[in-house]
Amino acid sequence: ETVLTQTPATLSVSLGERATLSCRASRSVRSNLAWYQQKPGQAPRLVFYGAGTRATDFPARFRGSGSGTEFTLTITSLQPEDSAVYYCQQYDYWPTYTFGQGTKLEIK
Amino acid sequence: EEHLVESGGGLVQPGGSLRLSCAASGFNLSDHYMDWVRQAPGKGLEWVGRTRNRTNSDLIEYAASVKGRFTISRDDSKNSLYLQMNSLKIEDTAVYYCVTNDYGALEMWGQGTMVTVSS
Repeated sequence: ETVLTQTPATLSVSLGERATLSCRASRSVRSNLAWYQQKPGQAPRLVFYGAGTRATDFPARFRGSGSGTEFTLTITSLQPEDSAVYYCQQYDYWPTYTFGQGTKLEIK
Repeated sequence: EEHLVESGGGLVQPGGSLRLSCAASGFNLSDHYMDWVRQAPGKGLEWVGRTRNRTNSDLIEYAASVKGRFTISRDDSKNSLYLQMNSLKIEDTAVYYCVTNDYGALEMWGQGTMVTVSS
């Protein structure tokens, strides 16, 4: 099984600043990695697929990068609505998808 | 507007059964691979299983944790997906989501339905 490790577990960043979230895979997943945003009481929403292709409805201040085993989600000019838990997920190894344990992003 | 609506969750005793439904509207469910993902209270996301579309022989795949107990099916005439859960365990307690799977990423999520396994 491909293990995804997300760091940090919790990230507290000031309004308007930049947040950097990391996801490391136990083996290469090429660019077959997605990011999801989940707010309390809501279903997850797809933010990125293909490591760096932004899904609809997310602004350009969200950026995804990386390939192989190291991936980053960067959010600039943080807004209050960005507060959420973010999960990475690999889809390189079928059929079993695996998710990271999540990073909780708090806006100060 | 395209969306998915899950139903059928509830309280069930260990060893019991439950059938979840997922109704699609605004699009044809048969055009997509469809996955089930669950989330235990206060925990992360866990992939449960997948049905591929007819173009790909309706292949169905399961996580090891549910294989042999859960069964995924679809009724394209009703534009619906199902998850039959048997021999339920306490650790199956979770919100269950149905999700469209397009080229690997999980794009459209339902609102989820809560399953509680408890005596």
